[in-house]
Amino acid sequence: GQQLNQSPQSMFIQEGEDVSMNCTSSSIFNTWLWYKQDPGEGPVLLIALYKAGELTSNGRLTAQFGITRKDSFLNISASIPSDVGIYFCAALSNTGNQFYFGTGTSLTVIP
Amino acid sequence: KAGVTQTPRYLIKTRGQQVTLSCSPISGHRSVSWYQQTPGQGLQFLFEYFSETQRNKGNFPGRFSGRQFSNSRSEMNVSTLELGDSALYLCASSTRTGTGGYTFGSGTRLTVV
Repeated sequence: GQQLNQSPQSMFIQEGEDVSMNCTSSSIFNTWLWYKQDPGEGPVLLIALYKAGELTSNGRLTAQFGITRKDSFLNISASIPSDVGIYFCAALSNTGNQFYFGTGTSLTVIP
Repeated sequence: KAGVTQTPRYLIKTRGQQVTLSCSPISGHRSVSWYQQTPGQGLQFLFEYFSETQRNKGNFPGRFSGRQFSNSRSEMNVSTLELGDSALYLCASSTRTGTGGYTFGSGTRLTVV
């Protein structure tokens, strides 16, 4: 199936630092989503992006839908311990009938 | 507002058996999508149901099937279980079809022995 290349695979940062992760693909998508998953739980939607070039914020989180429609990034500012978890990007195909997830970025915040 | 409810939370089955998992979407959500999550393959889309009809399907063998009832509750069935079917099965619901589902349940952890 389609591949969403998410990087980095893992990050270890100090509390208060900013974080950046991204997702790229060789295919064009109409919708990009970012989720966070805590152990033993399902993913929780953080931000949804519907238009190329769109920049959307949700509190300390900011995500952008790449202008080529083949990539997206997520930034977390001033990280806190509860930001720990696995972050996934996801993308919806142009036809809206296939949904793909990235491989995840594991974030550890050191107090 | 109740979230997406999946039952059971944990399940152990023997190779060759079949299993049925249940998902109750958020009230008013008519789309239910199912996903398989494994350490090796990550999150993979299985299928989506909307108004009792399968709308979209991922690349899984025919042993994986599902259905949706008139109250939007959905079930997923896996027949002739294989060891590789051990995974966390997640469902997600949405008001519209073709979104992949925005709200996930906590999943059913299936172990095949």
